[in-house]
Amino acid sequence: EAGVVQSPRYKIIEKKQPVAFWCNPISGHNTLYWYRQNLGQGPELLIRYENEEAVDDSQLPKDRFSAERLKGVDSTLKIQPAELGDSAVYLCASSPPGFGQPSYEQYFGPGTRLTVT
Amino acid sequence: RKEVEQDPGPFNVPEGATVAFNCTYSNSASQSFFWYRQDCRKEPKLLMSVYSSGNEDGRFTAQLNRASQYISLLIRDSKLSDSATYLCGLPRDNYGQNFVFGPGTRLSVLP
Repeated sequence: EAGVVQSPRYKIIEKKQPVAFWCNPISGHNTLYWYRQNLGQGPELLIRYENEEAVDDSQLPKDRFSAERLKGVDSTLKIQPAELGDSAVYLCASSPPGFGQPSYEQYFGPGTRLTVT
Repeated sequence: RKEVEQDPGPFNVPEGATVAFNCTYSNSASQSFFWYRQDCRKEPKLLMSVYSSGNEDGRFTAQLNRASQYISLLIRDSKLSDSATYLCGLPRDNYGQNFVFGPGTRLSVLP
């Protein structure tokens, strides 16, 4: 079974430039998560989707970050404009349907390592 | 208290040793808990889910102490390949909204 696919794996951009990350979850997984992870810290949830609906986006810095999950399958996370502090690993995860609420048994993609110079 | 706290370590143990580390949480109503393993520069991988008192899978045992609000992960007969960072995570509130990870505990198993 194919895992969560993310691209690109690495991205180096100058500050104030836009950047986009793409994620394709495991087939059949209706829940999709975007996380940001800084060195030495645990992943921080940015947004969670149930199918195509964003149900948790309280941690998403909405002035510069946006996300979409059209058709409830793959998803794109965008930063515009990027700042130096956005340098981090951006992880996508998916989980299968639970019973009444998300299962939270998450399967992560390899991540995109973003460096903003 | 922070939502999820973990001793960052590192825990340095010899091969074959038994090691345990804890994860404390602030939401007394939390119902589900998860241990993930993360190798250096890799993505987290689900190790174990804990929904009631505990769970066991081979050399790994997770236990839940609701009274003191912590979960523990016990690794018996440590292998070199167990060296990694162990993250605990749980839903942030009673409605399954949001999910929060601790900072992780780094384990080094030494030959």
